[in-house]
Amino acid sequence: GAGVSQSPRYKVAKRGQDVALRCDPISGHVSLFWYQQALGQGPEFLTYFQNEAQLDKSGLPSDRFFAERPEGSVSTLKIQRTQQEDSAVYLCASSLDPLHQYSNQPQHFGDGTRLSIL
Amino acid sequence: RKEVEQDPGPFNVPEGATVAFNCTYSNSASQSFFWYRQDCRKEPKLLMSVYSSGNEDGRFTAQLNRASQYISLLIRDSKLSDSATYLCVVILNSGNTPLVFGKGTRLSVIA
Repeated sequence: GAGVSQSPRYKVAKRGQDVALRCDPISGHVSLFWYQQALGQGPEFLTYFQNEAQLDKSGLPSDRFFAERPEGSVSTLKIQRTQQEDSAVYLCASSLDPLHQYSNQPQHFGDGTRLSIL
Repeated sequence: RKEVEQDPGPFNVPEGATVAFNCTYSNSASQSFFWYRQDCRKEPKLLMSVYSSGNEDGRFTAQLNRASQYISLLIRDSKLSDSATYLCVVILNSGNTPLVFGKGTRLSVIA
């Protein structure tokens, strides 16, 4: 497809289980972002990749959260030993590499994965 | 204090009304500004960028006041299809850096 694809669309897990969320960015997009959106809040930044390099992971809330993009395309966000407060929508966005230092390429979002921890 | 603050609403307005949303940001070094629209259970989508000179796109007008660190969005002649959450978004640096979102302002346009 032409857009950012995320799977699964919905995920229900029991507290303590590990989960893996997948993001397939738009073909050719160098930059990939993960955001977490809690109910009634705006999305909050988790981590950023440029190709396969994770350049910023300052938004990851704990060491239970891990993200990778080994071949510079598909990315996986893994949450270990899930807690109820991890329940949220996880959004992935991708964008082209900036043409020059002062440009901001638009970020295109996927539909998100709605994670519910019971 | 949140980096980007918005009135969460909801704003309930009749069709055809003019409605304005405001947003303030805390970091004076912020470089780029946007309004995103998010429909219920859908992803955020870019509505428009915001420039210091003010900019217009059809029924939508966005303005930026850097001195007051304030951004606004004006919607004229509201349509039912404008019902959504409007997210104020700021970027601190140039290049591909994370978007910083406000909580969003919910708009319901009523027939």
